[in-house]
Amino acid sequence: DAGVTQSPTHLIKTRGQQVTLRCSPKSGHDTVSWYQQALGQGPQFIFQYYEEEERQRGNFPDRFSGHQFPNYSSELNVNALLLGDSALYLCASSLDRRTPSGANVLTFGAGSRLTVL
Amino acid sequence: KQEVTQIPAALSVPEGENLVLNCSFTDSAIYNLQWFRQDPGKGLTSLLLIQSSQREQTSGRLNASLDKSSGRSTLYIAASQPGDSATYLCAVTGGGNKLTFGTGTQLKVEL
Repeated sequence: DAGVTQSPTHLIKTRGQQVTLRCSPKSGHDTVSWYQQALGQGPQFIFQYYEEEERQRGNFPDRFSGHQFPNYSSELNVNALLLGDSALYLCASSLDRRTPSGANVLTFGAGSRLTVL
Repeated sequence: KQEVTQIPAALSVPEGENLVLNCSFTDSAIYNLQWFRQDPGKGLTSLLLIQSSQREQTSGRLNASLDKSSGRSTLYIAASQPGDSATYLCAVTGGGNKLTFGTGTQLKVEL
């Protein structure tokens, strides 16, 4: 049973360029969340996708956008790259079922390391 | 706004020592709390998840406790080994299944 798969694992871009990161969720999962982790920091929530729509968004500018496809895979797009966008981008998937606790366990991928020069 | 703090930021101990990592959060309205391990340049590995109604969880040499009313959690690692060297992250789950992470504790276990 494959876990969460992210691509590419590493990439280098220059300021002003655009980047697309991809994520395939764990088999059986239908919800995808994206996190940004700067060096030495904890991951920060970017947004979450469910049923091909953005359901929740963190404190990130509109340069960050995403998409979810009918097969539940997802893309994260970042436009007009800044040096400060250099980070590890983590994708996490979960199953949107209503558990007694009200929250669902996330499975994380290994991440995509973005360097902006 | 939920804020998660982890103390200490870094810790170096000799092999075999028992140790405690601390996590505190400002908003007690959480669904659960998780402890993750992260090796350099890698993704996150979930170690323990404590539901808001639970007080502790154990897995092997790891034990995590949760005091939701005081906004605190501890991760206890028994008989530490060099392979335990990693960054340990604490995260709480709030509304919408969004995780809020601390900045982590970087642990080094020396021979």
